[in-house]
Amino acid sequence: EAQVTQNPRYLITVTGKKLTVTCSQNMNHEYMSWYRQDPGLGLRQIYYSMNVEVTDKGDVPEGYKVSRKEKRNFPLILESPSPNQTSLYFCASRPTRQGRGTDTQYFGPGTRLTVL
Amino acid sequence: SQQGEEDPQALSIQEGENATMNCSYKTSINNLQWYRQNSGRGLVHLILIRSNEREKHSGRLRVTLDTSKKSSSLLITASRAADTASYFCATFYNQGGKLIFGQGTELSVKP
Repeated sequence: EAQVTQNPRYLITVTGKKLTVTCSQNMNHEYMSWYRQDPGLGLRQIYYSMNVEVTDKGDVPEGYKVSRKEKRNFPLILESPSPNQTSLYFCASRPTRQGRGTDTQYFGPGTRLTVL
Repeated sequence: SQQGEEDPQALSIQEGENATMNCSYKTSINNLQWYRQNSGRGLVHLILIRSNEREKHSGRLRVTLDTSKKSSSLLITASRAADTASYFCATFYNQGGKLIFGQGTELSVKP
């Protein structure tokens, strides 16, 4: 089944304790991205990757790191989490086309992170 | 900053009625997409309309795009209780890298 998976789905942690949220897709998509969703602020893009070894900042990259060593995986790393990073996180992927393309994104189920 | 803004923020209707949601954006676009999100779950792509299209249909969905006004609308006809969800518009810019979402419209369809 074509899908984007995220792990863990729920995580409660404490300030400063490094954590990684994994994201994997089995559709051979070139583009992957991370978003956070907060009440009243909608979805905001954290980082995206147009292809392996290529990553770019979205609108809210501060406090996050990503890596794209292989096509299927795009982990989100919080080196020193803080309470303001408590949020619902989504990973997404899409095939990349030259020009306009389809641009349809496929989303993972979400990871609910609480930083105490 | 958010590219898209949607209104209304919340909409409550009866089953069988039509629901219309609007989205405005700020910069030129290649296409505009609509997504649906059931409470706390991942987003599901509904429909994409390209900048050279004015209207597009998919089942009970009708999307319009007015590039001169930088706005789009999503119409759900003959709504059902199962349509209860949040609906977001989204646009790509920066050569297809950045995707900006609107704040969403929370639709409640009462049986």
